[in-house]
Amino acid sequence: SQQGEEDPQALSIQEGENATMNCSYKTSINNLQWYRQNSGRGLVHLILIRSNEREKHSGRLRVTLDTSKKSSSLLITASRAADTASYFCAEYGVGNKLVFGAGTILRVKS
Amino acid sequence: DGGITQSPKYLFRKEGQNVTLSCEQNLNHDAMYWYRQDPGQGLRLIYYSQIVNDFQKGDIAEGYSVSREKKESFPLTVTSAQKNPTAFYLCASTPQGSRTEAFFGQGTRLTVV
Repeated sequence: SQQGEEDPQALSIQEGENATMNCSYKTSINNLQWYRQNSGRGLVHLILIRSNEREKHSGRLRVTLDTSKKSSSLLITASRAADTASYFCAEYGVGNKLVFGAGTILRVKS
Repeated sequence: DGGITQSPKYLFRKEGQNVTLSCEQNLNHDAMYWYRQDPGQGLRLIYYSQIVNDFQKGDIAEGYSVSREKKESFPLTVTSAQKNPTAFYLCASTPQGSRTEAFFGQGTRLTVV
């Protein structure tokens, strides 16, 4: 079973706009991660946020973590056409199982 | 350069055949994972291994088998018992116990013909 649930399932925006994706978990969040997948390719790690952190930045990426709501969000600012991809959150579960959410498909129109 | 390599990129299987997907890494990672991805879907865990000669079933292990005889290699066999094997298969590795980022291969697209 997948631990994470993400919304929206799909998001279409204009270049230059911000994109926000959300991830919620049923179990406790430990080191929550976000990955990107270009169509037909492997996943690439974007950012990791630890349970004792509330916000983290990396370039145009901003991740927040709310452990009380068991949720995280990924914000991509000033989006570009090249940001078009699927984005997944992931978490290590029991026995170090790395499990992924269903993902958000982002399309940035130029 | 260190990395994780999956082969082949495309694989065609006749019904009733077993096929083996290769995954090799030179990152000196202890843990390795196999995932299945269906179109427009997320990743579902098939098997994972934390150490050589040991592996655990994931959420959808039925119809699949693995081995972990070497630290660098974690091949996945899709058996004839897997009724709907057409999918995109991804292999990943992480340092043991670190709970940090996973490194992924580029995937193998398996099609039943």
